[in-house]
Amino acid sequence: EADIYQTPRYLVIGTGKKITLECSQTMGHDKMYWYQQDPGMELHLIHYSYGVNSTEKGDLSSESTVSRIRTEHFPLTLESARPSHTSQYLCASSEGASGRAIGELFFGEGSRLTVL
Amino acid sequence: ILNVEQSPQSLHVQEGDSTNFTCSFPSSNFYALHWYRWETAKSPEALFVMTLNGDEKKKGRISATLNTKEGYSYLYIKGSQPEDSATYLCASSTGNQFYFGTGTSLTVIP
Repeated sequence: EADIYQTPRYLVIGTGKKITLECSQTMGHDKMYWYQQDPGMELHLIHYSYGVNSTEKGDLSSESTVSRIRTEHFPLTLESARPSHTSQYLCASSEGASGRAIGELFFGEGSRLTVL
Repeated sequence: ILNVEQSPQSLHVQEGDSTNFTCSFPSSNFYALHWYRWETAKSPEALFVMTLNGDEKKKGRISATLNTKEGYSYLYIKGSQPEDSATYLCASSTGNQFYFGTGTSLTVIP
């Protein structure tokens, strides 16, 4: 059973506020990911990490930032939220430290963000 | 960016019917193809991880096939049950990340 947790599950916030979406996993996975999904659209990769102190941007441009200070923790931060940031954000992790994307992804339940 | 397409977009079937969905992906530089099942208010869960051309995998009433040369995978559900209602996502990898399709939303009517 996957052990990856996201908080908050739902967040409604005003424009200009700083927010942090938390993601933690207890499986000891080196690889972690943040995906963004708008209704009816694909999951798009916005950030990924291959281990502590490693972070990369995905193909979808995002104004968010991430950090990886501990293996189990991969928070995503928006310094100044805007209505265009309204979306669902999914965190995932997988085994392996190599660059190849092959292994199964374990997902959290998602954080649904609404910016008014 | 990889173009992964799934069809149909949504599907309603009667309980007991068998059904199948399609995932198409670019066949060049293929590494892996995943199928995920995503129920409302839950997290996506992996059904199958396939890497070899001709792979066929089965889990209970659900099975999947993979053709990497022509770039498609089929997911089959035999004797659909209401608990099979979910969105089924496929994802393809050619390197260091996965690219997802928009999913097939399945509703099984009791």
